[in-house]
Amino acid sequence: GQQLNQSPQSMFIQEGEDVSMNCTSSSIFNTWLWYKQDPGEGPVLLIALYKAGELTSNGRLTAQFGITRKDSFLNISASIPSDVGIYFCAGSLMKAAGNKLTFGGGTRVLVKP
Amino acid sequence: DAGVIQSPRHEVTEMGQEVTLRCKPISGHDYLFWYRQTMMRGLELLIYFNNNVPIDDSGMPEDRFSAKMPNASFSTLKIQPSEPRDSAVYFCASSPRGGLEAFFGQGTRLTVV
Repeated sequence: GQQLNQSPQSMFIQEGEDVSMNCTSSSIFNTWLWYKQDPGEGPVLLIALYKAGELTSNGRLTAQFGITRKDSFLNISASIPSDVGIYFCAGSLMKAAGNKLTFGGGTRVLVKP
Repeated sequence: DAGVIQSPRHEVTEMGQEVTLRCKPISGHDYLFWYRQTMMRGLELLIYFNNNVPIDDSGMPEDRFSAKMPNASFSTLKIQPSEPRDSAVYFCASSPRGGLEAFFGQGTRLTVV
């Protein structure tokens, strides 16, 4: 089945730094989504990408849908403490009967001690 | 809009007992998803509905698991009998755009002892 590999699995950030994470797939997707999950909460949608090559921003977040449709990256500029959490990529391949998301394993963002 | 509402937030039960998790999707959303999240396996899709009809239940782990959606505003996920390995956080999500963007509830943390 489809698998999404996220990297890095975890990272430490210092306030003000830019951070980057990516997601690769063994098969193509029509849609890429990025979610953030805080402790004790459900994932919250950050950015949705619908076309290969698309670059989309949401505040300090920027995400791109890879040309091959098998990858996507998420950048966070000028990180702040509340950026800590788990970031998930998700891919979707629309089918006639409907749709479902396949999630990556997540990138855990932590604050440098 | 109140978002996706799940109940209970926490459930502790003894092995062998029946457990019912409840979900109220966002009004107007045609798709409803049930996910399970564990440290080992991440976010797994269990089943999803479109217009109250189950479309794909290939992720349901065993016959002990069943899900229903009697109307557009309510769904249940039932585990009978429950086992300790069912301990996880169960999320319900709904989607308005052909299932492309999922909005998650806060989850139900299930502990089976």
